[in-house]
Amino acid sequence: DTAVSQTPKYLVTQMGNDKSIKCEQNLGHDTMYWYKQDSKKFLKIMFSYNNKELIINETVPNRFSPKSPDKAHLNLHINSLELGDSAVYFCASSQPGQIYEQYFGPGTRLTVT
Amino acid sequence: GQNIDQPTEMTATEGAIVQINCTYQTSGFNGLFWYQQHAGEAPTFLSYNVLDGLEEKGRFSSFLSRSKGYSYLLLKELQMKDSASYLCAVRDSHQNQAGTALIFGKGTTLSVSS
Repeated sequence: DTAVSQTPKYLVTQMGNDKSIKCEQNLGHDTMYWYKQDSKKFLKIMFSYNNKELIINETVPNRFSPKSPDKAHLNLHINSLELGDSAVYFCASSQPGQIYEQYFGPGTRLTVT
Repeated sequence: GQNIDQPTEMTATEGAIVQINCTYQTSGFNGLFWYQQHAGEAPTFLSYNVLDGLEEKGRFSSFLSRSKGYSYLLLKELQMKDSASYLCAVRDSHQNQAGTALIFGKGTTLSVSS
């Protein structure tokens, strides 16, 4: 009965590789997000989608490409990984119209070597 | 510009009361959130303020003053399990309502000792 799930939980890969992180929510929410939390614990928005439409695309290298096949899923594909991409990536979802607090997934710890 | 400030670290003892302050400067404002994040885990929602005043929820309370760009999170009867990072976040109302993201501060790491 996990609300927001992400796979994988840990990802170790080499520079230059391409990798994907998957996110799924079973809360029936319309909006999903990707956040990046760096080594200093600073949590920063990358993208948000509402009903499969891209709403927010912050200043993120175009090596990062989100994709939402349906409103319950938001995946993140990263091309040509760099050392600086090492971080924890959190997926979140919310439902506009209420307080619409965001529910976060467990995070994916990406380590680029 | 957007800026959210909170202390980096705080320490307290079990049973005590601690207040974590947050000041913000954002281009718009549509609510302030407090999240708790234990090490290695996801942030979890604690509180939400959109109007001035105090919101109380059990041992935790959150206060907001929009005119001062200021909020605090008050934790009473501290327990060891309260050791965590506490993140202040603002929703910027100038962003699209449906996909509005949160702007987070860098978090305050609270250590509770016995």
